Amino acid sequence: AQSVAQPEDQVNVAEGNPLTVKCTYSVSGNPYLFWYVQYPNRGLQFLLKYITGDNLVKGSYGFEAEFNKSQTSFHLKKPSALVSDSALYFCAVRPHVYNQGGKLIFGQGTELSVKP
Amino acid sequence: NAGVTQTPKFQVLKTGQSMTLQCAQDMNHEYMSWYRQDPGMGLRLIHYSVGAGITDQGEVPNGYNVSRSTTEDFPLRLLSAAPSQTSVYFCASSYSGGTHEQYFGPGTRLTVT
Repeated sequence: AQSVAQPEDQVNVAEGNPLTVKCTYSVSGNPYLFWYVQYPNRGLQFLLKYITGDNLVKGSYGFEAEFNKSQTSFHLKKPSALVSDSALYFCAVRPHVYNQGGKLIFGQGTELSVKP
Repeated sequence: NAGVTQTPKFQVLKTGQSMTLQCAQDMNHEYMSWYRQDPGMGLRLIHYSVGAGITDQGEVPNGYNVSRSTTEDFPLRLLSAAPSQTSVYFCASSYSGGTHEQYFGPGTRLTVT
């Protein structure tokens, strides 16, 4: 079965420190991987994606993520956290199968809290 | 562009009532999806569509119906509401090719008493 796991329900970071939000996946074939962010009482916003190519992808708001095929991971990172980064983060995978483009499988989410 | 719009924003239903959650997009996206968000469970796919006239079930389809008569609209129908359907519902859309990422609506918070 295809699945995404975010092993940490919550990550706490001091402002200015680097942050990592972890994601591992299990999917057949080559995955399309995504990170989304959700601020309170809002919809999800796209942060970045890995489709193919360079394993390090850069996205919005200074976030980046590293695709590691051998470890089936796609961890989200930022060199210096801001208080405004505090939000709920979701990792997602899209099956690389014909006519399944409307289908994302999400992890359970990680609450990021950045303290001043 | 308005992007993905959803109505209503909030709804309270009694058990057994039916209703339709509306979703529309003005980006000419072929793919549209409905998810529900519950605490600690992330988002789970209810139904999705790869184009007008074509729909398929996701992970948690029971108790919900969809249809896709136009590219723009993808309504979600609750046939007979149950307390287990209390959730936040998100609609999303994406292109069939190219960038792949989904665009999400603001959500509908549904409470079933």
